[in-house]
Amino acid sequence: QVQLVQSGAEVKKPGASVKVSCKASGYTFTGYYMHWVRQAPGQGLEYMGWINPNGGDTYSVQKFQGRVTMTRDTSISTDYMELSRLTSEDTAVYYCAREPPRTGGFDYWGQGSLVTVSS
Amino acid sequence: QSALTQPPSASGSPGQSVTISCTGTSSDVGGSNSVSWYQQHPGKAPKLMIYEVNKRPSGVPDRFSGSKSGNTASLTVSGLQAEDEADYYCSSYTGSPRASYVFGTGTKVTVL
Repeated sequence: QVQLVQSGAEVKKPGASVKVSCKASGYTFTGYYMHWVRQAPGQGLEYMGWINPNGGDTYSVQKFQGRVTMTRDTSISTDYMELSRLTSEDTAVYYCAREPPRTGGFDYWGQGSLVTVSS
Repeated sequence: QSALTQPPSASGSPGQSVTISCTGTSSDVGGSNSVSWYQQHPGKAPKLMIYEVNKRPSGVPDRFSGSKSGNTASLTVSGLQAEDEADYYCSSYTGSPRASYVFGTGTKVTVL
């Protein structure tokens, strides 16, 4: 069965970076885009960006450009999202989510990784 | 890239129907058939309920239906059940400036 298993909770200081992993199983990893979405405490979903199936292209929305790096290691079916220059406003649960080809829907989600930014 | 607009809350009694709207622009909802809806229970990851405006993934009850008119998409939940109480988010593809997505502000559905 399809599974996306994310790394555990992290506590970081302001100005630091965090790298969240998303390990996929149960499907052909290189056939799907992966997207990253975050949710601050008590807030709604916020779209961050995507990485393409072979890992050769990424895009992040303007708010995160210059601060987020998305990478893919196809040898271990794992995606990574690294966010730098953290502030308290980056405290959130970060999700990876798979998109089947040309559907525009995210059909499987990771369990979420809580990142807390605190001095 | 502004969030799509949803009403903060909606409610209905068991067995009734509730409809949630999702308003965007011609750059997202109005210009794309890649509109999807997600259900999220507290402390859980979102779950895909509708994709491509009105298609249901396998396992999603046919009580859930989607539609779109112009820049507004809608999710209707018929025959409300207690387990439908959750937050619901719409999402739309947007091609500007590059292919990406945008979420709605979210609607809390309460089953009275």
